[in-house]
Amino acid sequence: GNSVTQMEGPVTLSEEAFLTINCTYTATGYPSLFWYVQYPGEGLQLLLKATKADDKGSNKGFEATYRKETTSFHLEKGSVQVSDSAVYFCALSRPAGGTSYGKLTFGQGTILTVHP
Amino acid sequence: EAEVAQSPRYKITEKSQAVAFWCDPISGHATLYWYRQILGQGPELLVQFQDESVVDDSQLPKDRFSAERLKGVDSTLKIQPAELGDSAMYLCASSSGLGQSTDTQYFGPGTRLTVL
Repeated sequence: GNSVTQMEGPVTLSEEAFLTINCTYTATGYPSLFWYVQYPGEGLQLLLKATKADDKGSNKGFEATYRKETTSFHLEKGSVQVSDSAVYFCALSRPAGGTSYGKLTFGQGTILTVHP
Repeated sequence: EAEVAQSPRYKITEKSQAVAFWCDPISGHATLYWYRQILGQGPELLVQFQDESVVDDSQLPKDRFSAERLKGVDSTLKIQPAELGDSAMYLCASSSGLGQSTDTQYFGPGTRLTVL
């Protein structure tokens, strides 16, 4: 079946540090890949996405590249801010067909805390 | 900017009682999803609607959970009777597509359920 594995958290960084959150996936076919962010007390917000191999998604200084050869979609940011403190979820969506209707399969989430 | 609305935001109930959650998707979005997020985990799909039809309810505990989307707009998720293990965040999401893997899902703020 489909699955997403994220690096264990929590991750604690100082402001302006470099961030990497690892994400690997298992899926048949050609899934789309997503990073969602959840701030305290809020729902999930789409951070970025990539829909085919070698695509790079980017938003708010965050980037992730769809690597089919390593089945990975690692999230990176060159200089984190205190306001980036949140929970980050990697997710995949398989193309509709058979028993798949485009639902999202999420990883377990990685808590990021950024200190001033 | 249009948002997915959910109510209530918080619900405390005793086991064996009935509870209901409401979701109003972004106007014009054909696909509606209900996810359950247990503390410390990623969301898991409970049920997916395409307009008023259920297209995926394979993970919905049908002995106690029910969902409907009359007229293909807003939706209600019901639990009867509630059990202690149902304590979680219930998230509603919607998308404008027809379940393609490339669709972006937009999430509401969620309803946090506590069963005592």
